[in-house]
Amino acid sequence: QVQLVQSGAEVRKPGASVKVSCKASGYTFTNYFIHWVRQAPGQGLEWMGKINPSGGSASATHTEKIQGRVTMTRDTSTFTVYMELSSLISEDTAVYYCARGRGGPRGLHYLDFWGQGTPVTVSS
Amino acid sequence: QSALTQPPSASGSPGQSITISCTGTSSDIGGYDYVSWYQQHPGRAPKLIIYEVTKRPSGVPDRFSGSKSGTTASLTVSGLQAEDESDYYCSSYAGSNNLIFGGGTKLTVL
Repeated sequence: QVQLVQSGAEVRKPGASVKVSCKASGYTFTNYFIHWVRQAPGQGLEWMGKINPSGGSASATHTEKIQGRVTMTRDTSTFTVYMELSSLISEDTAVYYCARGRGGPRGLHYLDFWGQGTPVTVSS
Repeated sequence: QSALTQPPSASGSPGQSITISCTGTSSDIGGYDYVSWYQQHPGRAPKLIIYEVTKRPSGVPDRFSGSKSGTTASLTVSGLQAEDESDYYCSSYAGSNNLIFGGGTKLTVL
């Protein structure tokens, strides 16, 4: 069965970086894009970007509050993708989810399986 | 781009039907048939319940249905059950390699 298992909760100080992992199993890793979505406390879902595990190419949202601070990478030997967010601010406090993308050439039609989420707290 | 617009709350009694709207623009909902809906219970990850406007993944009850007209998509839950009480989010492909979500709707089963 398809599973996406994420790394555990993180606490960082403002200005630091955080790297969250997402390990895939139950399907061919390189056949599907992986997306990152975050959810601030009590708020809605916010799409951050996606990575193609096959070639490693990634594209992130153009949202001003995230643009330029997110880096997505993958390790095909361990079927794991990573999302690193730098220059953290308190507003980055959220649960970060990875999800498998489906549909079209870039898996942008819908997200069919989700990781369990990784809480990230940014606090001085 | 701005988030899709959903009502913050909706409610219905068991057995009733409710419809949740999701309004976008011609650049997202109106431009593509790639609307999806997700159910999220407190403390849990979102779960896909509708994709490509009207399709249901395996295992999702047929009480859940989706539709679209112009720049507004809708999720209908028929025969409401207690376990349907949850948050619901719409999403759409927004062109230029982007996905966009709605602000979410909290459904209460009275």
